[in-house]
Amino acid sequence: AQTVTQSQPEMSVQEAETVTLSCTYDTSESDYYLFWYKQPPSRQMILVIRQEAYKQQNATENRFSVNFQKAAKSFSLKISDSQLGDAAMYFCAYRSVLHTGANSKLTFGKGITLSVRP
Amino acid sequence: DVKVTQSSRYLVKRTGEKVFLECVQDMDHENMFWYRQDPGLGLRLIYFSYDVKMKEKGDIPEGYSVSREKKERFSLILESASTNQTSMYLCASSPLTGTANQPQHFGDGTRLSIL
Repeated sequence: AQTVTQSQPEMSVQEAETVTLSCTYDTSESDYYLFWYKQPPSRQMILVIRQEAYKQQNATENRFSVNFQKAAKSFSLKISDSQLGDAAMYFCAYRSVLHTGANSKLTFGKGITLSVRP
Repeated sequence: DVKVTQSSRYLVKRTGEKVFLECVQDMDHENMFWYRQDPGLGLRLIYFSYDVKMKEKGDIPEGYSVSREKKERFSLILESASTNQTSMYLCASSPLTGTANQPQHFGDGTRLSIL
């Protein structure tokens, strides 16, 4: 079974600075998908960024980018130019490349709470 | 945009009651999921369904059941609520067809308190 580990329960960043959130995972599969989700306080969980394991290029979405190290099974999220609205809980998640039936589920880490200091 | 609607944001019930949590999605997604979210434990999958009347147990199904009579609706049932089921419950949906990198779309969550 796959596992996802987020070892830092909390982090803090100064507004306009850069912060990196760590995530490691364990799997025996060679192809899979990785996701970062954001859950603002009392608001809906939304997708921030996704990465296909077969792609060597790191995914980027505006101020958000990932550092995907397949051999190390590491998938960190970098937030540049942090904004007050980035304050939220962030979850790392894994999904098998076989997207039918039981393999369509996501395996989540425990999450990290990011606070942004003005 | 995909809309996943959970029937209640906050719910208070008593021990022993039968509790229904409802979830409706409007994007014709095949997959639907129920998660439980607790501090320090992240999201844990309770049950999921990949078709009408089809269901599979997740990681923590004990004390719960589900119903999917229509494609757009997925209900979570607490047969006899207990205080250890006090939690935030999240519903999600995703398409079956297409590539596997399709994300799950989440509802706003139901914060359930069992007294």
